[in-house]
Amino acid sequence: NAGVMQNPRHLVRRRGQEARLRCSPMKGHSHVYWYRQLPEEGLKFMVYLQKENIIDESGMPKERFSAEFPKEGPSILRIQQVVRGDSAAYFCASSPLDSAAALHFGNGTRLTVT
Amino acid sequence: GIQVEQSPPDLILQEGANSTLRCNFSDSVNNLQWFHQNPWGQLINLFYIPSGTKQNGRLSATTVATERYSLLYISSSQTTDSGVYFCAVDGEETSGSRLTFGEGTQLTVNP
Repeated sequence: NAGVMQNPRHLVRRRGQEARLRCSPMKGHSHVYWYRQLPEEGLKFMVYLQKENIIDESGMPKERFSAEFPKEGPSILRIQQVVRGDSAAYFCASSPLDSAAALHFGNGTRLTVT
Repeated sequence: GIQVEQSPPDLILQEGANSTLRCNFSDSVNNLQWFHQNPWGQLINLFYIPSGTKQNGRLSATTVATERYSLLYISSSQTTDSGVYFCAVDGEETSGSRLTFGEGTQLTVNP
């Protein structure tokens, strides 16, 4: 009974490169959320997706960041032309419902930009 | 948006002690969760508790929605309880569950 799976666990990129973070939700869950945790801070909502739809991207930076959740395959958070300030832990969560329900989080991807 | 305040920000205990962590929120909620982030960064779901009381082993939680606070109780603390405890709430009426996290309580349990 696998939980939310994120990969890679750790990702190192040089400034200007692209980072691609993957998230497979729990079985039976069709709602995916991405959160970012900067050092010494709590998690901040970025984007909410359902299959093939972005429902709410109000927490996403306006430039360089994008997310998708295709019909087949994992959800992808893509960061283009990374900068040092993008260094953070990125967590994915999933839930089975679009109404209030417990979110289940993955173990996160720790992005380091050198 | 909804505001979440957690207290205390830091807590140091001796093994075996009991503790209470508090979470205040500024508006009505339809989702409230407590999480434990362990020293390896993993985020562990403790309770989904928008109202009422729940218990799981040495941990229990109570949310008084009408007074806009939640409490997390840890009894007979162990060194493995160390880490950051987050309260997160969602007060939106729209679809989905976009949690707003507090800044956390950093708990250190010494042997």
